[in-house]
Amino acid sequence: AQSVTQLGSHVSVSEGALVLLRCNYSSSVPPYLFWYVQYPNQGLQLLLKYTSAATLVKGINGFEAEFKKSETSFHLTKPSAHMSDAAEYFCAVSGYNQGGKLIFGQGTELSVKP
Amino acid sequence: KAGVTQTPRYLIKTRGQQVTLSCSPISGHRSVSWYQQTPGQGLQFLFEYFSETQRNKGNFPGRFSGRQFSNSRSEMNVSTLELGDSALYLCASSLDPSRGGGELFFGEGSRLTVL
Repeated sequence: AQSVTQLGSHVSVSEGALVLLRCNYSSSVPPYLFWYVQYPNQGLQLLLKYTSAATLVKGINGFEAEFKKSETSFHLTKPSAHMSDAAEYFCAVSGYNQGGKLIFGQGTELSVKP
Repeated sequence: KAGVTQTPRYLIKTRGQQVTLSCSPISGHRSVSWYQQTPGQGLQFLFEYFSETQRNKGNFPGRFSGRQFSNSRSEMNVSTLELGDSALYLCASSLDPSRGGGELFFGEGSRLTVL
């Protein structure tokens, strides 16, 4: 069975600092991996996805993530945090032929201090 | 291009009642998925519909049901409401992620409170 673990339910960084949100997955077959962001009272928006092409994936708003099969990880990074990055971030996994069925991690709330 | 539209945005029900939530996908999207979001359980997959057929189903009791119409609009129904059904219900549409890996576009959700 597929599962996703996000390390740290809350992460706080200073504006301009590196953002690192951790995600480890468990899947018996090569997965599809996603990072979504949710702002208060809104739905989820896709930041980036890995679908077995390049292992380093670039997304919107300066975010990127690297797929590391040996570590079963898909950590999200951004070199310099902005105040507008404060939100909740979800890592998700799906398998081949799973369509719209995503397995989400518990989420990481990112706070950005001025 | 209009996004995914969910109605109603907020509703309050009492235990034992039933509720129907509606989702209009992005024009041209044929797949609609439903998720339940709660502070304790996080985001959990309910079911997915494609071309009016349920294609995937999560681990929810039979009180949770859904359907999709020929225009791809979808509804989900929860019968005999329980306090634990209080949640944000999110709908997501996609073109046809039949092999997975497709982007899901989420609506803003319907927030259900059960008293």
